[in-house]
Amino acid sequence: AQSVTQLDSQVPVFEEAPVELRCNYSSSVSVYLFWYVQYPNQGLQLLLKYLSGSTLVKGINGFEAEFNKSQTSFHLRKPSVHISDTAEYFCAVHTPNQFYFGTGTSLTVIP
Amino acid sequence: ETGVTQSPTHLIKTRGQQVTLRCSSQSGHNTVSWYQQALGQGPQFIFQYYREEENGRGNFPPRFSGLQFPNYSSELNVNALELDDSALYLCASSLDRSYEQYFGPGTRLTVT
Repeated sequence: AQSVTQLDSQVPVFEEAPVELRCNYSSSVSVYLFWYVQYPNQGLQLLLKYLSGSTLVKGINGFEAEFNKSQTSFHLRKPSVHISDTAEYFCAVHTPNQFYFGTGTSLTVIP
Repeated sequence: ETGVTQSPTHLIKTRGQQVTLRCSSQSGHNTVSWYQQALGQGPQFIFQYYREEENGRGNFPPRFSGLQFPNYSSELNVNALELDDSALYLCASSLDRSYEQYFGPGTRLTVT
C-alpha cells in the first residue's frame, strides 16, 4: 500500500528566512514523487518532480527537494521565502494509474 | 494553448440529488483524472479516463461515475448525493496517462 505523510500541517516563517516542508512516503513499489502548490481558490500547480537520477531536484519559484530513499523522504526547501509563497503545499506519489496526495502543509510567510 | 477548464465553478445541491461536473482537458491531452478534495485535506483520486475508457479507480462507491468523450473532455456524475460529498472536485489532464498532470481550478460542490 502507498501513503504520503506530511509531518507539519502549518508552518509559519518570516519573510526571507529559509523553510523546509517535510514529506515521508511508504510504498511497496518504485514511485515518482511530486510537490504541488495550491493558492486559495485555485487548482494545483506542479512545483517539482523526482523521477530518477540526481536526488536533488530543482523546481519553480526557487524551490528544491531532496529524495532520500533510505529515509523514504522527499522534503521541500527554499533558502529565502517571499510573501507570495504563502499557500498550501502538497506532496504526492505516483504509482501506475494513481496519485496519492498528503494532507497538505499550510505555509504562511510573515512580513 | 488552452488550459484545463471546469464548470460550473460552484454548485449547491440537496442530499439525494444527482450532479454532473464537467472538465475540458488541455489541448492535445487524452487522459483525464478526477479528484475529490475535502476541506483541509489533500486530493483523493476518484478515477482516470484514457481514450474514453476508465483506466483506474480509487476507493469511491459506484455512485461516482464518469465519462470521457471523443474530444477527451470528461464528466463526473455523482448520484444520491450525501453531505460528505461536499468538496472541491478537481480535474487534471495529461498525455497518454503521464504523471505530468495539469489541474483545473476545480468545482466547489456543497450538499445541504
